[in-house]
Amino acid sequence: GAVVSQHPSRVICKSGTSVKIECRSLDFQATTMFWYRQFPKQSLMLMATSNEGSKATYEQGVEKDKFLINHASLTLSTLTVTSAHPEDSSFYICSTTSAFTYEQYFGPGTRLTVT
Amino acid sequence: KQEVTQIPAALSVPEGENLVLNCSFTDSAIYNLQWFRQDPGKGLTSLLLIQSSQREQTSGRLNASLDKSSGRSTLYIAASQPGDSATYLCAVRQTGANNLFFGTGTRLTVIP
Repeated sequence: GAVVSQHPSRVICKSGTSVKIECRSLDFQATTMFWYRQFPKQSLMLMATSNEGSKATYEQGVEKDKFLINHASLTLSTLTVTSAHPEDSSFYICSTTSAFTYEQYFGPGTRLTVT
Repeated sequence: KQEVTQIPAALSVPEGENLVLNCSFTDSAIYNLQWFRQDPGKGLTSLLLIQSSQREQTSGRLNASLDKSSGRSTLYIAASQPGDSATYLCAVRQTGANNLFFGTGTRLTVIP
Protein backbone atom coordinates (compact mmCIF):
# COMPACT_ATOMS: atom_id res chain seq x y z
CA GLY A 1 0.00 0.00 0.00
CA ALA A 2 0.93 3.66 -0.27
CA VAL A 3 3.58 4.87 2.11
CA VAL A 4 3.26 8.55 1.25
CA SER A 5 0.16 10.49 0.19
CA GLN A 6 -0.16 13.94 -1.31
CA HIS A 7 -3.10 16.27 -1.62
CA PRO A 8 -4.27 17.64 -3.95
CA SER A 9 -3.18 15.54 -6.90
CA ARG A 10 -3.90 18.36 -9.30
CA VAL A 11 -4.52 22.08 -8.79
CA ILE A 12 -5.07 25.01 -11.09
CA CYS A 13 -4.76 28.49 -9.68
CA LYS A 14 -4.57 32.04 -10.90
CA SER A 15 -1.39 34.02 -10.98
CA GLY A 16 -0.76 35.83 -7.70
CA THR A 17 -2.61 33.37 -5.48
CA SER A 18 -1.10 30.90 -3.02
CA VAL A 19 -1.42 27.13 -3.10
CA LYS A 20 -0.81 24.65 -0.29
CA ILE A 21 0.25 21.06 -0.96
CA GLU A 22 0.08 18.46 1.80
CA CYS A 23 2.35 15.46 2.16
CA ARG A 24 1.59 12.71 4.65
CA SER A 25 3.76 9.82 5.72
CA LEU A 26 1.35 6.93 6.24
CA ASP A 27 3.47 4.03 7.41
CA PHE A 28 5.98 5.60 9.74
CA GLN A 29 6.87 8.78 11.52
CA ALA A 30 9.08 10.98 9.40
CA THR A 31 11.32 13.49 11.07
CA THR A 32 12.61 14.41 7.65
CA MET A 33 10.68 14.83 4.43
CA PHE A 34 11.88 16.04 1.06
CA TRP A 35 10.24 18.24 -1.55
CA TYR A 36 11.13 17.88 -5.21
CA ARG A 37 9.91 19.49 -8.38
CA GLN A 38 10.01 17.99 -11.82
CA PHE A 39 9.67 19.73 -15.16
CA PRO A 40 8.41 17.81 -18.20
CA LYS A 41 10.83 15.16 -19.41
CA GLN A 42 13.37 16.10 -16.77
CA SER A 43 14.55 14.37 -13.64
CA LEU A 44 13.66 15.38 -10.11
CA MET A 45 15.21 18.46 -8.56
CA LEU A 46 15.45 18.62 -4.79
CA MET A 47 13.96 21.86 -3.52
CA ALA A 48 14.21 21.53 0.23
CA THR A 49 14.52 19.21 3.18
CA SER A 50 11.72 19.55 5.67
CA ASN A 51 12.60 18.91 9.32
CA GLU A 52 9.95 18.25 11.93
CA GLY A 53 9.81 21.03 14.48
CA SER A 54 12.48 23.18 12.86
CA LYS A 55 13.16 25.23 9.77
CA ALA A 56 13.48 23.63 6.39
CA THR A 57 16.80 23.50 4.57
CA TYR A 58 16.54 24.91 1.06
CA GLU A 59 18.70 24.02 -1.90
CA GLN A 60 20.66 26.72 -3.65
CA GLY A 61 18.51 28.81 -5.93
CA VAL A 62 15.22 27.93 -4.23
CA GLU A 63 13.46 30.95 -2.72
CA LYS A 64 12.46 30.13 0.84
CA ASP A 65 10.00 33.03 1.00
CA LYS A 66 8.24 31.76 -2.08
CA PHE A 67 8.13 28.09 -1.19
CA LEU A 68 7.08 27.95 2.44
CA ILE A 69 7.54 24.61 4.14
CA ASN A 70 5.95 23.61 7.42
CA HIS A 71 6.60 20.28 9.13
CA ALA A 72 4.51 20.57 12.26
CA SER A 73 4.05 16.88 12.97
CA LEU A 74 5.89 13.63 12.34
CA THR A 75 3.46 12.64 9.61
CA LEU A 76 2.64 15.89 7.84
CA SER A 77 4.66 18.38 5.84
CA THR A 78 3.15 21.16 3.75
CA LEU A 79 4.55 23.18 0.88
CA THR A 80 2.92 26.52 0.15
CA VAL A 81 3.68 28.20 -3.14
CA THR A 82 3.10 31.88 -2.46
CA SER A 83 2.16 34.45 -5.09
CA ALA A 84 2.29 31.79 -7.74
CA HIS A 85 3.36 32.64 -11.28
CA PRO A 86 3.05 30.60 -14.47
CA GLU A 87 6.72 29.62 -14.23
CA ASP A 88 5.90 27.86 -10.96
CA SER A 89 3.77 25.41 -12.92
CA SER A 90 5.38 22.04 -12.34
CA PHE A 91 5.01 18.61 -10.80
CA TYR A 92 5.77 18.68 -7.08
CA ILE A 93 6.65 15.43 -5.30
CA CYS A 94 7.40 14.78 -1.66
CA SER A 95 9.20 11.83 -0.13
CA THR A 96 10.18 10.26 3.16
CA THR A 97 12.96 7.92 4.16
CA SER A 98 12.78 4.83 6.28
CA ALA A 99 15.01 5.29 9.30
CA PHE A 100 15.83 1.58 9.22
CA THR A 101 16.73 0.86 5.61
CA TYR A 102 17.15 4.40 4.27
CA GLU A 103 14.86 3.42 1.44
CA GLN A 104 13.15 6.49 0.07
CA TYR A 105 9.43 6.52 -0.67
CA PHE A 106 7.71 9.05 -2.88
CA GLY A 107 4.24 10.48 -2.95
CA PRO A 108 2.09 10.41 -6.08
CA GLY A 109 2.88 14.03 -6.88
CA THR A 110 0.87 17.22 -7.30
CA ARG A 111 0.45 18.82 -10.71
CA LEU A 112 0.34 22.61 -10.27
CA THR A 113 -0.81 24.78 -13.14
CA VAL A 114 -0.74 28.55 -12.72
CA THR A 115 -2.79 30.49 -15.25
CA LYS B 1 29.48 16.83 -6.38
CA GLN B 2 27.89 13.48 -7.19
CA GLU B 3 26.74 13.12 -10.79
CA VAL B 4 24.52 10.28 -11.91
CA THR B 5 24.18 9.34 -15.55
CA GLN B 6 21.83 6.89 -17.20
CA ILE B 7 22.30 5.32 -20.59
CA PRO B 8 20.44 5.01 -22.85
CA ALA B 9 18.06 7.94 -22.50
CA ALA B 10 15.38 6.00 -24.35
CA LEU B 11 14.97 2.37 -25.30
CA SER B 12 12.38 0.56 -27.37
CA VAL B 13 12.20 -3.24 -27.38
CA PRO B 14 9.75 -5.89 -28.54
CA GLU B 15 7.78 -7.74 -25.90
CA GLY B 16 9.56 -10.73 -24.38
CA GLU B 17 13.05 -9.38 -24.80
CA ASN B 18 15.50 -9.19 -21.90
CA LEU B 19 17.08 -5.77 -21.42
CA VAL B 20 19.64 -3.91 -19.34
CA LEU B 21 19.52 -0.32 -18.15
CA ASN B 22 22.72 1.35 -17.06
CA CYS B 23 23.49 3.82 -14.32
CA SER B 24 26.87 5.34 -13.48
CA PHE B 25 27.89 7.65 -10.66
CA THR B 26 31.04 9.68 -10.13
CA ASP B 27 31.55 9.42 -6.35
CA SER B 28 31.81 5.88 -5.00
CA ALA B 29 31.23 6.96 -1.38
CA ILE B 30 27.59 5.96 -1.47
CA TYR B 31 25.37 4.56 1.25
CA ASN B 32 22.90 2.90 -1.09
CA LEU B 33 21.43 2.99 -4.58
CA GLN B 34 17.79 2.82 -5.50
CA TRP B 35 16.00 2.07 -8.76
CA PHE B 36 12.58 3.63 -9.36
CA ARG B 37 10.00 3.56 -12.07
CA GLN B 38 7.86 6.53 -12.97
CA ASP B 39 4.75 6.34 -15.11
CA PRO B 40 3.68 9.50 -16.96
CA GLY B 41 2.20 12.08 -14.59
CA LYS B 42 2.76 9.88 -11.57
CA GLY B 43 5.10 9.71 -8.60
CA LEU B 44 8.02 7.32 -8.22
CA THR B 45 7.66 3.67 -7.31
CA SER B 46 10.64 2.09 -5.60
CA LEU B 47 11.74 -1.07 -7.39
CA LEU B 48 14.93 -2.16 -5.72
CA LEU B 49 17.24 -0.86 -3.02
CA ILE B 50 20.88 -1.98 -2.91
CA GLN B 51 22.94 -1.17 0.15
CA SER B 52 26.58 -0.26 -0.48
CA SER B 53 27.74 -3.59 0.96
CA GLN B 54 25.56 -5.59 -1.45
CA ARG B 55 26.31 -6.68 -5.00
CA GLU B 56 22.80 -7.30 -6.25
CA GLN B 57 19.12 -7.44 -5.42
CA THR B 58 16.34 -9.33 -7.13
CA SER B 59 12.60 -8.85 -7.22
CA GLY B 60 10.59 -10.96 -9.63
CA ARG B 61 11.77 -10.27 -13.17
CA LEU B 62 14.04 -7.47 -12.00
CA ASN B 63 17.66 -7.79 -10.98
CA ALA B 64 19.84 -4.87 -9.99
CA SER B 65 23.59 -5.07 -9.58
CA LEU B 66 26.01 -2.67 -7.96
CA ASP B 67 29.74 -2.27 -8.53
CA LYS B 68 30.61 0.53 -6.17
CA SER B 69 34.31 0.70 -7.01
CA SER B 70 33.62 1.32 -10.68
CA GLY B 71 30.61 3.55 -10.00
CA ARG B 72 28.11 1.45 -11.90
CA SER B 73 24.76 -0.19 -11.46
CA THR B 74 22.60 -2.10 -13.90
CA LEU B 75 18.92 -2.96 -13.88
CA TYR B 76 18.12 -6.16 -15.72
CA ILE B 77 14.54 -6.77 -16.79
CA ALA B 78 13.73 -10.29 -17.95
CA ALA B 79 10.98 -11.17 -20.41
CA SER B 80 9.82 -7.60 -20.83
CA GLN B 81 6.09 -6.83 -21.00
CA PRO B 82 4.17 -3.80 -22.33
CA GLY B 83 3.31 -2.96 -18.72
CA ASP B 84 7.01 -2.38 -18.09
CA SER B 85 6.86 0.72 -20.27
CA ALA B 86 7.82 3.66 -18.05
CA THR B 87 10.76 5.87 -17.17
CA TYR B 88 13.32 4.19 -14.96
CA LEU B 89 15.39 6.31 -12.61
CA CYS B 90 18.39 5.38 -10.54
CA ALA B 91 19.36 7.42 -7.51
CA VAL B 92 22.26 7.26 -5.08
CA ARG B 93 22.44 8.31 -1.47
CA GLN B 94 25.81 9.65 -0.41
CA THR B 95 27.32 8.44 2.83
CA GLY B 96 26.31 10.91 5.52
CA ALA B 97 23.75 12.65 3.33
CA ASN B 98 19.99 12.72 3.61
CA ASN B 99 18.97 13.29 0.02
CA LEU B 100 19.23 11.32 -3.21
CA PHE B 101 21.08 12.23 -6.37
CA PHE B 102 19.01 11.25 -9.38
CA GLY B 103 19.99 10.16 -12.85
CA THR B 104 18.23 11.61 -15.86
CA GLY B 105 16.27 8.43 -16.46
CA THR B 106 15.75 5.90 -19.24
CA ARG B 107 12.39 5.95 -21.00
CA LEU B 108 11.50 2.36 -21.83
CA THR B 109 8.88 1.35 -24.37
CA VAL B 110 7.98 -2.32 -24.72
CA ILE B 111 6.19 -2.97 -27.99
CA PRO B 112 3.47 -5.63 -27.96
